[in-house]
Amino acid sequence: EVQLVESGGGLVQPGGSLRLSCAASGFTFSTYWMHWVRQVPGKGLVWVARIDNDGSSTAYADSVKGRFTVSRDNAENTLYLQMNSLRVEDTAIYYCLRDWHGEVYWGQGTLVTVSS
Amino acid sequence: QLVLTQSPSASASLGASVKLTCTLSSGHSDYAITWHQQQPEKGPRYLMKLNSDGSHTKGDGIPDRFSVSSSGAERYLTISSLQSEDEADYYCQTWVSGTQGIFGGGTKVTVL
Repeated sequence: EVQLVESGGGLVQPGGSLRLSCAASGFTFSTYWMHWVRQVPGKGLVWVARIDNDGSSTAYADSVKGRFTVSRDNAENTLYLQMNSLRVEDTAIYYCLRDWHGEVYWGQGTLVTVSS
Repeated sequence: QLVLTQSPSASASLGASVKLTCTLSSGHSDYAITWHQQQPEKGPRYLMKLNSDGSHTKGDGIPDRFSVSSSGAERYLTISSLQSEDEADYYCQTWVSGTQGIFGGGTKVTVL
């Protein structure tokens, strides 16, 4: 069974940093591109970042470019999102997502709150 | 720039059908679309993917009451025999250059 389990969310002050993790199981993690998607509570889904299967290529939404870094450890079957220079508007639930040719799986999400 | 447009809300009676629309912006009418469901207080759940050739794939355990179709730049998700648990937000989504995700604004479905 494919499972994606996010962790690392919490309360952080504006300007601070946080690293999210997404532990993957039930599939060969190293063969899949992975994504981060976020959702402000009560609002819609927004794509944040993508990393290819070996970590050699990444892409970001304009709103996080230069502040967030997506990475992965294929030996540990884990996806990461390093978030720096956090802003109040980064407050959201962050989900990891695997989407490959109609095989789509979501994690349960982790809440990040940026507030003073 | 690719934009996906969804109506904010839709409603239908228990046991009836509802058809949700996702419209691709001009010049992007050949994109595949994925539909996701988000029930209240839950994370998103993959429903179905409609490919540009009309074929589709369905998520694990998704009932046959859910179906997809398309016409031109419009992509549809039809829910038949509406159940109370179908009350949720429904998002369409696609990939630009296979790498950047685009989501529609979502449609809130109310079961009357």
